[in-house]
Amino acid sequence: SQKIEQNSEALNIQEGKTATLTCNYTNYSPAYLQWYRQDPGRGPVFLLLIRENEKEKRKERLKVTFDTTLKQSLFHITASQPADSATYLCALGRTGGGADGLTFGKGTHLIIQP
Amino acid sequence: DSGVTQTPKHLITATGQRVTLRCSPRSGDLSVYWYQQSLDQGLQFLIQYYNGEERAKGNILERFSAQQFPDLHSELNLSSLELGDSALYFCASSVVPSPGELFFGEGSRLTVL
Repeated sequence: SQKIEQNSEALNIQEGKTATLTCNYTNYSPAYLQWYRQDPGRGPVFLLLIRENEKEKRKERLKVTFDTTLKQSLFHITASQPADSATYLCALGRTGGGADGLTFGKGTHLIIQP
Repeated sequence: DSGVTQTPKHLITATGQRVTLRCSPRSGDLSVYWYQQSLDQGLQFLIQYYNGEERAKGNILERFSAQQFPDLHSELNLSSLELGDSALYFCASSVVPSPGELFFGEGSRLTVL
């Protein structure tokens, strides 16, 4: 069955350093991958989308890579700040699949320590 | 503010009861999605509507149903509630079905006692 794995343990990073989060998947051939941020008790907020034919995408301090051979995406936050502390979700989607093709991982809790 | 409005924010009810959750999508968005989020399962897709028609179905129980009205708002009906139905229920909307970003509401927290 399809499986998306994100580090279930909290990731503690010192302020100013680069935080790197991992999303691995199995039994899935995604056409695209998305990253969302979720704060406690709030709805997820879209951050970035990367398609299967793209290797890297950047947006301000955020960078996402997508390796369909390794079946892995890496999400980087450079110059991290305490305000970046949140849970980050990756989601995989299939072309034309609608939301049934958008499968979310359980998320990684990121803590940026001052 | 995502522009997606969900009501109620919190709901406490008893087993066996029935509740209705409401969602108003962003202005102009034709697609509405419902997700359930619990601590152990993460975000689980329930159902999607596009311009009033059911488009995709996920892990939605038979006790649950949904619909999208002509004004594009949507309702999720949960009946014969069980303790395990306690969760955060999110509505999301998008202009087109896929691909693209989803705009999530703040969720409705359901507690079944």
